[in-house]
Amino acid sequence: GQQVMQIPQYQHVQEGEDFTTYCNSSTTLSNIQWYKQRPGGHPVFLIQLVKSGEVKKQKRLTFQFGEAKKNSSLHITATQTTDVGTYFCAGPVTGTASKLTFGTGTRLQVTL
Amino acid sequence: GAVVSQHPSRVICKSGTSVKIECRSLDFQATTMFWYRQFPKQSLMLMATSNEGSKATYEQGVEKDKFLINHASLTLSTLTVTSAHPEDSSFYICSARSQDRGGKNIQYFGAGTRLSVL
Repeated sequence: GQQVMQIPQYQHVQEGEDFTTYCNSSTTLSNIQWYKQRPGGHPVFLIQLVKSGEVKKQKRLTFQFGEAKKNSSLHITATQTTDVGTYFCAGPVTGTASKLTFGTGTRLQVTL
Repeated sequence: GAVVSQHPSRVICKSGTSVKIECRSLDFQATTMFWYRQFPKQSLMLMATSNEGSKATYEQGVEKDKFLINHASLTLSTLTVTSAHPEDSSFYICSARSQDRGGKNIQYFGAGTRLSVL
C-alpha cells in the first residue's frame, strides 16, 4: 500500500540552528500538505504544494516539492523554541480526492 | 481560518461503557469529516470518512460496529466507541474538509479527545 516516510524521526537542535525534514512517498502525489502538531495539541495546516519543483516560503520556513512529485522537504532557518513540535507531511490517498495519508512525522526539539 | 470544535477533550471511563465524541465545524459546512486515531509519538491513522447523509466509510481493519459514526448534519459528526476496553485508549482526532479561496481542499482539525479506559 501507499507509504509516506519522513526522516529524521527526531531531531534536537539548539536555538538558531537550521532544521530540515524530508518526506518520501512510495507513490506519485497530486499535491503535498504540511502540518505542525505542538506537544499535546492537534495538527495545524501549514501549506500545500501542487506543482512539480514548487518552492514556497513562509517567513523562516521553506517548503519544496520534488520534480517527480514523490518527495518534499521542509527547512526551517534559525530555529526558535516556538518551532518545537512534530511536523507531518501528508498526501492524498491514491485514487481519492480528499483522504490523506500522513507521513511518519519528524519531532523537533529546540533548546536554548 | 476555519474552526473545528471537538468535545470532550478528555474522557476517563470504565471498561464496557460507551463513549461519544462530537466534532463540529463552527464557521463552515463540511460534507466530509474524518476520524483519526493517534498513539503516543506516532502518526495519525485514518479510521473512517464521515459523509453527511450517508454511511461512513471505514478503513481496513477498523470495526464499524465498534466505532459508530453518525454525520447527521453539515456541521456535526459523532464517533461512538462502543463497549470500550483498555486497548481502545488513545487520542482520537477529527477533521473537517473545507475549500479555501484558491479551491484547495484543506483539512482542519479538532483539538482531539484523549480517551482512557480503565
